[in-house]
Amino acid sequence: DVKVTQSSRYLVKRTGEKVFLECVQDMDHENMFWYRQDPGLGLRLIYFSYDVKMKEKGDIPEGYSVSREKKERFSLILESASTNQTSMYLCASKGRTYNSPLHFGNGTRLTVT
Amino acid sequence: AQSVTQPDIHITVSEGASLELRCNYSYGATPYLFWYVQSPGQGLQLLLKYFSGDTLVQGIKGFEAEFKRSQSSFNLRKPSVHWSDAAEYFCAVGAPEYGNKLVFGAGTILRVKS
Repeated sequence: DVKVTQSSRYLVKRTGEKVFLECVQDMDHENMFWYRQDPGLGLRLIYFSYDVKMKEKGDIPEGYSVSREKKERFSLILESASTNQTSMYLCASKGRTYNSPLHFGNGTRLTVT
Repeated sequence: AQSVTQPDIHITVSEGASLELRCNYSYGATPYLFWYVQSPGQGLQLLLKYFSGDTLVQGIKGFEAEFKRSQSSFNLRKPSVHWSDAAEYFCAVGAPEYGNKLVFGAGTILRVKS
């Protein structure tokens, strides 16, 4: 079974702090994704990566950056956290083919105060 | 660009009753279609997927979904709901020309009353 592990289940940070959310997958997947989940809005794609050191913006990249130095690890960075970034963050990975399903981590609930 | 609509934000059914969750997509050709379930505090788990072929697909936990091209729909069904099915359900759409990105609907929260 594919395992996608997000390092923190809950995080509380202060406005202006730099925040790192870490995600590791164990299936040698090329593609990794960061989504943000808010009630009534479903999942919105922040960034994704299709290879080491490669990244593409999703639908809501503003205020975020990402890093993928190793194939198994994909980090989401909030350069200066703001209260409107309080949300559930979901990491996912998928294989090479277009019709491969996404495999999700359990999520990180981030609160910015 | 493709889009997904889940018209029902909340649905409440009695335990043992049948269930249908609606999903409509916007895309010109045949997309890839997925249903995911999210239990409280968890990530999303794949229930089933459709790529081509038989339009009725079977998934885990007794769920099935039917692809209807004429209606641009991919509704999820279960003949008899169990209390453990209470969760949030997401429909998602992908297509080759959009690469590896999926677009998700806003989700439907299922409540099961005993």
